[in-house]
This record gives sequence, structure tokens and C-alpha cells, in this order.
Amino acid sequence: DARVTQTPRHKVTEMGQEVTMRCQPILGHNTVFWYRQTMMQGLELLAYFRNRAPLDDSGMPKDRFSAEMPDATLATLKIQPSEPRDSAVYFCASGLPLPGLAGDSYNEQFFGPGTRLTVL
Amino acid sequence: DAKTTQPNSMESNEEEPVHLPCNHSTISGTDYIHWYRQLPSQGPEYVIHGLTSNVNNRMASLAIAEDRKSSTLILHRATLRDAAVYYCILRDVYASGAGSYQLTFGKGTKLSVIP
Repeated sequence: DARVTQTPRHKVTEMGQEVTMRCQPILGHNTVFWYRQTMMQGLELLAYFRNRAPLDDSGMPKDRFSAEMPDATLATLKIQPSEPRDSAVYFCASGLPLPGLAGDSYNEQFFGPGTRLTVL
Repeated sequence: DAKTTQPNSMESNEEEPVHLPCNHSTISGTDYIHWYRQLPSQGPEYVIHGLTSNVNNRMASLAIAEDRKSSTLILHRATLRDAAVYYCILRDVYASGAGSYQLTFGKGTKLSVIP
């Protein structure tokens, strides 16, 4: 049963420290998404990759967040320096475009279990 | 982006059908209707999607109003495992670039299933 995996599942760190979250997309999927979920804001899209190239990272604070795909099997999200307001659950999702209902392509997103980040 | 409106919460008895409504009065002709759900302490998972016609899959059915201004996700027999937050999301078929795959999640409907 193919699944998106994320590590670590939980991370507690102190303000100012660097945090790296990792995601292994489902083999063969060429799109990867990073989301953040908080009680106040709900689920927000941070960044989106297709064929390892970043297509949209407008939801990401540029000064401290960075997202990369070193290869097709690994996506990383880094926060440096981390702040208490970054505390959230970070989800990675992957997908593969499929034929849509209207002649377009559709991309069902498969989510990982998330990384719960607490910044003290 | 066209918006969706869902009730904050709903309750259902186990083994009974559940009808989860979603209003999207400003939907455009090129908007897909997607449903995802998020079980406690898990990432969201795809449930179903449609464009104009009603859709069925192993998880649920999607009934789309004739004017497409509303839709209903139908769980035919609720189980305890169906207790989750259900999100109704619109996506523009013809959105260009990254927007063509982006899903914008709202607050969703929290479904409680009573044994």
C-alpha cells in the first residue's frame, strides 16, 4: 500500500533553531505539496513542486522557510530560524496528474501523516 | 476563487446514511467540486470529486444540484471510522500553472458518529 511518509512525526525545538522536515512522496508521483495546519488558520498551502521544480511558494514566508526536492524521492522543508508562531502540523502531499472529466488533467493529492512542530 | 459554505458540525447515528451539504452559489462553469476528509490526527484524504453529474465510488456518493450551486456528499452507512472533518473544495479546471492543482481548504464540517 503506497503511502507518503514524513519524518520526524514530532519535533520540539527552541526558538532560533533550524528545523528540517522530510517527505518521501509516493513512488512515481511527480507533484509534491507542503501544507501547514493550525487551529486558527486551518490548512494552508505553503509550496508546490512539479517534476522537482518549485512552481508556487507564495504561501511560504520567504525569509525563514525554504523548500527543496533534492531528488524525486525526497522533499524537504526547512525553517531557519524557527519561531513560536511556526508551531503547527506540517503535511506533505504527493500526486500524479490523471485525465480529468473535462479534457484537463486532475491531480488527487495523497497526504502524509504530518510532522507536529512545537517551537518553544 | 469561488467560495464554499458548509455547516460547522453534524451528527449521525452509526449505520445510518449521512448527507453533508455544501453551498457554492458563486461556482463557475469550470469549477470541479472536490471532497476530502481528515480523520483525527491524520492528513486529509481524497473522498470524491465531480463536475456536473452525480458520482459514486466505494467511499461515498456526490450529488450535484442541477444549477451546480450546491452539492451533497452522501455516506450510505456511517461507521465510527467516518468521524472526521469533511472539506468541500472548488478547483477551476482551467486555472493556469500552479493554480490548476491547488486545493484551498476551508473550515469543513466536523462529523460526529454516535454508536
